[in-house]
Amino acid sequence: DGGITQSPKYLFRKEGQNVTLSCEQNLNHDAMYWYRQDPGQGLRLIYYSQIVNDFQKGDIAEGYSVSREKKESFPLTVTSAQKNPTAFYLCASGAAGSYEQYFGPGTRLTVT
Amino acid sequence: KQEVTQIPAALSVPEGENLVLNCSFTDSAIYNLQWFRQDPGKGLTSLLLIQSSQREQTSGRLNASLDKSSGRSTLYIAASQPGDSATYLCAVGGADGLTFGKGTHLIIQP
Repeated sequence: DGGITQSPKYLFRKEGQNVTLSCEQNLNHDAMYWYRQDPGQGLRLIYYSQIVNDFQKGDIAEGYSVSREKKESFPLTVTSAQKNPTAFYLCASGAAGSYEQYFGPGTRLTVT
Repeated sequence: KQEVTQIPAALSVPEGENLVLNCSFTDSAIYNLQWFRQDPGKGLTSLLLIQSSQREQTSGRLNASLDKSSGRSTLYIAASQPGDSATYLCAVGGADGLTFGKGTHLIIQP
């Protein structure tokens, strides 16, 4: 089945620790995206990548880092510099041309 | 900076009604507009994509329109069913990512 997988579904970390969220897609899409969703707010763009080995900051990149070493993978690291890391994180990939975005099931991160 | 607004924030209607969800955006220079559905605790499911050169798209009981000049889109749901209960999100953008509204929380009463 073609799609986007995110793991784990739930993640718990202590404050001060870095944590990496996984995102894999087998849709052969060039573009990949990370969004954050908080209660009462719309999704906000963290980072995006339109091609392997290249990525761009979104609206709220501070405290996050990414890599794009393979077309199918776009992991997100939430660093200890992120002041409010507890949120629902959603990964998406986009089809070339239309840039219609398809989303994964999300990872809910709780930092205490 | 692009801003997206969705009205109403919440809507509760009896089963069988036709309904309209509204989305407005401030910058008409968009590549495309996408409507999504989100169930509680889940990811987003793409419902309809309207590219900037198009005026509307249809899928089953759903119809979405786009008026770039006025910065508006509507999602029309015909003959609503309890299974349509979800949060509906509107987003605009393109290759450099999407800007989302806060969504319309829809409840269809059996």
